[in-house]
Amino acid sequence: EIVLTQSPATLSLSPGERATLSCRASQSVSSYLAWYQQKPGQAPSLLIYDASNRATGIPARFSGSGSGTDFTLTISSLEPEDFAVYYCQQRSNWPRCTFGQGTKVEIK
Amino acid sequence: QLQLQESGPGLVKPSETLSLTCTVSGGSISSSRYYWGWIRQPPGKGLEWIGSIYYSGITYYNPSLRSRVTMSVDTSKNQFSLKLSSVTAADTAVYYCARDRDWNYGFDYWGQGTLVTVSS
Repeated sequence: EIVLTQSPATLSLSPGERATLSCRASQSVSSYLAWYQQKPGQAPSLLIYDASNRATGIPARFSGSGSGTDFTLTISSLEPEDFAVYYCQQRSNWPRCTFGQGTKVEIK
Repeated sequence: QLQLQESGPGLVKPSETLSLTCTVSGGSISSSRYYWGWIRQPPGKGLEWIGSIYYSGITYYNPSLRSRVTMSVDTSKNQFSLKLSSVTAADTAVYYCARDRDWNYGFDYWGQGTLVTVSS
């Protein structure tokens, strides 16, 4: 099973700052990686697919990069609504998949 | 607009079987483009993929749960279902159903989730 390790566990930032979230896979997943955002009490929502493509309706301040084993989600300038938990998901053996443990982006 | 809705008991006794159904509206579960998945989230913890099913009945399960999981689909009702046997307190979680599209995409539509508590 492919294990995804997200870091840091918690990121404390202020609105307007840049957020950089990391996701590392235990073996190559090519570009088959997605990112999700989850706000309290809500289901996750798809942000990024295929490592670097924004899902429908996702603002341009969200960007994804990486391939193989190392991936990054960047939020260029945090808006108040961006404080949430972010999960990466690998899909290299689709429809089997695994999720990372999550990174919480909190207000500093 | 596609919508998914989970339904089932919110309380299950230890050693019994958890049963949930996901009803899909606003689109057909029989589309060849998608798998339909179950994902769970214990309180305060992360997401765990349970398994996915195709409209034809092809299933894939998380290896860690495979011995206890059964998924099925009813295309006439536009529903798919989850059964998890021999539950323990560790199975207490919010259970989500979701639509899964393609290798290089993701779970693009989710239900609101339903909390299932395992307790006597």
